[in-house]
Amino acid sequence: GAGVSQSPSNKVTEKGKDVELRCDPISGHTALYWYRQSLGQGLEFLIYFQGNSAPDKSGLPSDRFSAERTGGSVSTLTIQRTQQEDSAVYLCASSPGTANSYGYTFGSGTRLTVV
Amino acid sequence: SQQGEEDPQALSIQEGENATMNCSYKTSINNLQWYRQNSGRGLVHLILIRSNEREKHSGRLRVTLDTSKKSSSLLITASRAADTASYFCATDTTGGFKTIFGAGTRLFVKA
Repeated sequence: GAGVSQSPSNKVTEKGKDVELRCDPISGHTALYWYRQSLGQGLEFLIYFQGNSAPDKSGLPSDRFSAERTGGSVSTLTIQRTQQEDSAVYLCASSPGTANSYGYTFGSGTRLTVV
Repeated sequence: SQQGEEDPQALSIQEGENATMNCSYKTSINNLQWYRQNSGRGLVHLILIRSNEREKHSGRLRVTLDTSKKSSSLLITASRAADTASYFCATDTTGGFKTIFGAGTRLFVKA
């Protein structure tokens, strides 16, 4: 597509349920990133993919968080047994190559609310 | 701790005035980027300046980079109400994969 697409745009879930967030990057972009932004805060790095592999998972907050990327394209971020502190906007971004050389194109994000 | 820190945290100006936002960082970088965010959703890439560049322009935007002071500034000239947004600086680290974002400056331009 023309931009980075994220779905759903909004998700309300009950505490303890699992959620899946989807990111469809720009076609041909090999690098894909997930960030999290709490209300009024900066962006917190979660995970980076280069192709299908994840060289850097250092930002995942706990083992309840996992992510995968298939076919070098779509990525899914899964949060198991959601907690209220997981409530945030989850942003996906893609880039033609490594982060060091290119700016990111961001999706519009998924606003997750855990009640 | 944040690699990039913006200053001020918030800025309120009149339409037509210039807005200056500053960013400081801690470690060596390959490049520094500025992004704008409206309404807490997706960020828009504004400009990327490489470590061997000192100044860059894009329309009403002017970015400077001083690697000796580990700081950058973003100047928006002749501001408009539509410039109201949060502005973030973002830095990679030499040899790193990820880009680290600061907490942002919230700019409010009054019409």
